[in-house]
Amino acid sequence: EAGVTQSPTHLIKTRGQQATLRCSPISGHTSVYWYQQALGLGLQFLLWYDEGEERNRGNFPPRFSGRQFPNYSSELNVNALELEDSALYLCASSPIGGGATDTQYFGPGTRLTVL
Amino acid sequence: AQSVTQLGSHVSVSEGALVLLRCNYSSSVPPYLFWYVQYPNQGLQLLLKYTSAATLVKGINGFEAEFKKSETSFHLTKPSAHMSDAAEYFCAVSDSGSARQLTFGSGTQLTVLP
Repeated sequence: EAGVTQSPTHLIKTRGQQATLRCSPISGHTSVYWYQQALGLGLQFLLWYDEGEERNRGNFPPRFSGRQFPNYSSELNVNALELEDSALYLCASSPIGGGATDTQYFGPGTRLTVL
Repeated sequence: AQSVTQLGSHVSVSEGALVLLRCNYSSSVPPYLFWYVQYPNQGLQLLLKYTSAATLVKGINGFEAEFKKSETSFHLTKPSAHMSDAAEYFCAVSDSGSARQLTFGSGTQLTVLP
């Protein structure tokens, strides 16, 4: 069974640009989560999508947005990039009908560097 | 709000020695707790989780953790460390309501000495 996949592996942008990160969940999983792992800030929850809808959002500004497609894959968009957006962005997925006890399965991440 | 605290950002043990990584939680409701491991340049892998079924939870790679409500702790242990255990370990708590987010501790880097 293929795991969660993310693309690209690395992304280099300059300040003010937009970044688009992509995630494909495990087959059969409908929920997708995004987390930011920034140096010195640890792992922070960004967004949760389920059945195409945004279900929960972490404490991030509106320039962090995303969407979930009918095939349950997801896209994270970061507008007006700032230097502090440099981080590893991790995507996770969990199964249909899952609850708070469900395991979130993580992908390898996209390393975003903002120059 | 729920939170977890990991005591010790770096832990070093000798190969074959006991591994003990500490995690304390803060929650106003019964928590769901997780331990994840992250190897260099990789995502997170679940080691084990507590979902109130049993207080002693066994996970992969010989790891286990015991939920102690009186101490608000969920420490991770392994009787004998292997070189391959060197990685960063994260304790996390899940929102038991509808928010579904994981709140992570700051992580503990485990070094295994030969």
